[in-house]
Amino acid sequence: TQLLEQSPQFLSIQEGENLTVYCNSSSVFSSLQWYRQEPGEGPVLLVTVVTGGEVKKLKRLTFQFGDARKDSSLHITAAQPGDTGLYLCASPERNSGYALNFGKGTSLLVTP
Amino acid sequence: EAGVAQSPRYKIIEKRQSVAFWCNPISGHATLYWYQQILGQGPKLLIQFQNNGVVDDSQLPKDRFSAERLKGVDSTLKIQPAKLEDSAVYLCASSPWTSGFNEQFFGPGTRLTVL
Repeated sequence: TQLLEQSPQFLSIQEGENLTVYCNSSSVFSSLQWYRQEPGEGPVLLVTVVTGGEVKKLKRLTFQFGDARKDSSLHITAAQPGDTGLYLCASPERNSGYALNFGKGTSLLVTP
Repeated sequence: EAGVAQSPRYKIIEKRQSVAFWCNPISGHATLYWYQQILGQGPKLLIQFQNNGVVDDSQLPKDRFSAERLKGVDSTLKIQPAKLEDSAVYLCASSPWTSGFNEQFFGPGTRLTVL
């Protein structure tokens, strides 16, 4: 099983600040997904990246996929309290019916 | 469209007791997953069903965990007997079946506390 490492593990910032979180692996991703999980809820898909070098934007969130498809980043501009949550990266495991292999996540707290 | 439903939302039991969780996937979704999420970690696959057949249960502790998906719709996950380390959130997810990867939709989870 591919190991997904996320950093930082915890992040506490004030409203309006920018931040970047990372997801890395020693092996190539077939594709990579980013999820946000709020307390008491299941993960919700934010984006899927497939092509090396790909950049996708979702409002104030910018997702990048590394050229070698071994790393990805999520950048949030002008964070808001509503961005608070656990950010998880995940990759489908082709050998196990495309079940998701998750990293440990980055827990983000945005205070007013 | 209704999402993935799970019940109960919370359960507290003592070690060595048994517990069961229920999941109702999105209508028409052939694939159903059970994940275990321990505090501070990402979800880990326990078992995957395709209709009512098991695709992958390699990480399911079969000496105490069991799961079934009768008629290829609802699913139940059972733990008997529970251990302290089983305290976690149990997430159910479903996806439509086509070749290749499909988006998975998660339920709210069942938070289990084993005392």
